[in-house]
Amino acid sequence: SAVISQKPSRDICQRGTSLTIQCQVDSQVTMMFWYRQQPGQSLTLIATANQGSEATYESGFVIDKFPISRPNLTFSTLTVSNMSPEDSSIYLCSVETASGTYEQYFGPGTRLTVT
Amino acid sequence: GDSVTQMEGPVTLSEEAFLTINCTYTATGYPSLFWYVQYPGEGLQLLLKATKADDKGSNKGFEATYRKETTSFHLEKGSVQVSDSAVYFCALSDSWGKLQFGAGTQVVVTP
Repeated sequence: SAVISQKPSRDICQRGTSLTIQCQVDSQVTMMFWYRQQPGQSLTLIATANQGSEATYESGFVIDKFPISRPNLTFSTLTVSNMSPEDSSIYLCSVETASGTYEQYFGPGTRLTVT
Repeated sequence: GDSVTQMEGPVTLSEEAFLTINCTYTATGYPSLFWYVQYPGEGLQLLLKATKADDKGSNKGFEATYRKETTSFHLEKGSVQVSDSAVYFCALSDSWGKLQFGAGTQVVVTP
């Protein structure tokens, strides 16, 4: 497994503003992902963060709303832009530590509340 | 597309009872299957996995067998404890490594 940290752990933001969430891993990993967990719901994949190239977004998620950076093999950021109350969720990053195993390990999550 | 269906909760049990959480999937190809657990106030943890038909994943007294013929991956534990109270998620991974989660099943174990 890997040690994964996220910052901030929680935040309360006003609508119309943006928040950048950081994900740091203690070892180099090939695959990094960002998920959203809306209150009382399951996890939904937002995008795959690709090192050195643009992220790959899932249906229903767009780069303008959720820009992602992945400057190296241990770090990624997710920005939630122009927030509305519907963006209130837990945002989680995950990594696949051993290529081809498909085992993903999750960060502790960032609890975002938009007022 | 791929999907995972798991039984709705909450499931309420007494300590030492037998737990089963049903999970079925729809997928093209041969996905890997997982159970994740989310304890109250904690992050999501990988509980067990199986990568091919008839594989059995096990961890912490929990077991699940990859049944290709019934497209199922039911989670079982013979004797639950209060500390097993959590939300359990069944998931599958496609060939790109992307996880598709079920809705989650809350399990409440009472003393």
